[in-house]
Amino acid sequence: GQNIDQPTEMTATEGAIVQINCTYQTSGFNGLFWYQQHAGEAPTFLSYNVLDGLEEKGRFSSFLSRSKGYSYLLLKELQMKDSASYLCAVTQGDYKLSFGAGTTVTVRA
Amino acid sequence: TAGITQAPTSQILAAGRSMTLRCTQDMRHNAMYWYRQDLGLGLRLIHYSNTAGTTGKGEVPDGYSVSRANTDDFPLTLASAVPSQTSVYFCASSLSSYNEQFFGPGTRLTVL
Repeated sequence: GQNIDQPTEMTATEGAIVQINCTYQTSGFNGLFWYQQHAGEAPTFLSYNVLDGLEEKGRFSSFLSRSKGYSYLLLKELQMKDSASYLCAVTQGDYKLSFGAGTTVTVRA
Repeated sequence: TAGITQAPTSQILAAGRSMTLRCTQDMRHNAMYWYRQDLGLGLRLIHYSNTAGTTGKGEVPDGYSVSRANTDDFPLTLASAVPSQTSVYFCASSLSSYNEQFFGPGTRLTVL
């Protein structure tokens, strides 16, 4: 089974940086996804990490340490539209993805 | 292209009644999934299908059944609904387990 932990809520100011941590305990780890979900909408894909290190995509970056069972999502130059839930999800192969409960980020002006 | 669609958007259902939630994708993805999302619990996998003709159980399969007669469609059936099945249901698809999943808009189901 999976044990995926991420903070419930975070608040930050427009233009700032926020780091959302995710820790996991799993067997047969294949990779880690981050999804964004605005209230009342479907999740949308942000990033996928398989190997250790940092993946950068514009204002969003994701980091993975397989040995530590740890990932973070870094949101830079925060905008009001970044207010959403951010879901950490781990895949152990065979088409099964396990999600954390999500971190709700509120961006204040 | 439509991507992945779900129907209905929302539904109120009496306990004990049956219901089928529909999901269709036009991306020719091999894998499809059904999740339910409940406050504080995140997305939980109900059933999945690696390819047409095969299905598998996820984390919370009890009370639900699925079929995958072709690549595009993956309906989810509740044979006899109970109030604990009140939730938002998301269908998703992906090319493989190493690719991102694309989610449908969701179905909000209330069982009274």
